[in-house]
Amino acid sequence: SAVISQKPSRDICQRGTSLTIQCQVDSQVTMMFWYRQQPGQSLTLIATANQGSEATYESGFVIDKFPISRPNLTFSTLTVSNMSPEDSSIYLCSVESGDAFHRGNTIYFGEGSWLTVV
Amino acid sequence: GIQVEQSPPDLILQEGANSTLRCNFSDSVNNLQWFHQNPWGQLINLFYIPSGTKQNGRLSATTVATERYSLLYISSSQTTDSGVYFCAVVSMGDGGSQGNLIFGKGTKLSVKP
Repeated sequence: SAVISQKPSRDICQRGTSLTIQCQVDSQVTMMFWYRQQPGQSLTLIATANQGSEATYESGFVIDKFPISRPNLTFSTLTVSNMSPEDSSIYLCSVESGDAFHRGNTIYFGEGSWLTVV
Repeated sequence: GIQVEQSPPDLILQEGANSTLRCNFSDSVNNLQWFHQNPWGQLINLFYIPSGTKQNGRLSATTVATERYSLLYISSSQTTDSGVYFCAVVSMGDGGSQGNLIFGKGTKLSVKP
């Protein structure tokens, strides 16, 4: 399994500003993933972050809006740039990890970062 | 892309009741997970179950991969079971990473005392 810590857990942000979310994992992982969950909605993958290379973004998400860093195998950041109220969401970091109980490579999520843009 | 449909969208139970949540998917998968999202937003892994049956306490899950559905059973429900239950899959045809989970819209469960 994997233990994932995210900061901040919650924040209220002013329109037009940017906020960086940090994700720390307790073990080395090859890939880290960033998801967004808009209010009352399901989760959508934003991008995949590999250490030492550019992040891979899903359709509808761009690097200028959601720049990602992956400086080492246990850490990643996601920045939400030039925020608008539509960016109010939970942002979640996740990793894939082997797990004896689940007997497979299971995806684990951090606690999430609740952003409200006013 | 693969479609994931969950039913029912909402479910209200009296404490102690049993329930079955369903997840249908439109393509072959090599990963299927059930999650519980509590009221604080935390996603808890329940099962990694691309096929077969597993049990963990009052919860069990079955995936019939050939028929493209999975079921999550909750027995003797408790108020702490309340929250949203998500089914998420990785399509075998995706060719992408295991982390690219496609989520259903979830089943919102409320267990009343």
